[in-house]
Amino acid sequence: DQQVKQNSPSLSVQEGRISILNCDYTNSMFDYFLWYKKYPAEGPTFLISISSIKDKNEDGRFTVFLNKSAKHLSLHIVPSQPGDSAVYFCAVAAGNQFYFGTGTSLTVIP
Amino acid sequence: DVKVTQSSRYLVKRTGEKVFLECVQDMDHENMFWYRQDPGLGLRLIYFSYDVKMKEKGDIPEGYSVSREKKERFSLILESASTNQTSMYLCASSSLRVYQPQHFGDGTRLSIL
Repeated sequence: DQQVKQNSPSLSVQEGRISILNCDYTNSMFDYFLWYKKYPAEGPTFLISISSIKDKNEDGRFTVFLNKSAKHLSLHIVPSQPGDSAVYFCAVAAGNQFYFGTGTSLTVIP
Repeated sequence: DVKVTQSSRYLVKRTGEKVFLECVQDMDHENMFWYRQDPGLGLRLIYFSYDVKMKEKGDIPEGYSVSREKKERFSLILESASTNQTSMYLCASSSLRVYQPQHFGDGTRLSIL
């Protein structure tokens, strides 16, 4: 049973616009939420995270939003840049147990 | 910066061979993990370890074993490789403290012929 779902396998956005990536999870026991970025032939790189006591966390162009009642997580990238083109994985965690989504491939068009 | 190093980027082996994938981290992390990544399936946990000589099964442990003799090193072993084990294998490590991310190596692309 999938604990976390990314329903959009791919997303295309014009450079300078906002990219919004979404993630849904099933269990309210998760209390730590993360986004990773992955380029081809490299391992995932940690991007940004949020704990369940917050509903928003910002780091430069990247903002993660958490809606606990809807069990929904999103990543906003603004403005989007061509170098942001990659696969983005969301992850949810409880203690040291992590569960990863299947990824969304983002293409930023110059 | 955390450095997780996987010994091989690409590996080609034959069916039935015993295969060793090695992973070393330099941050004194307690936790280490092995995942495989397949298209459309995301990252699936094979095994993890919280301490030296400790190991726990993940979601897909069948056909694999692990070894952790030293804190910095975590090995994944394919006892008798099969073609359905062709995949990208990712090692990760993390601190035991809560709300800490896992840090990944660059992966090993393993092909079993």
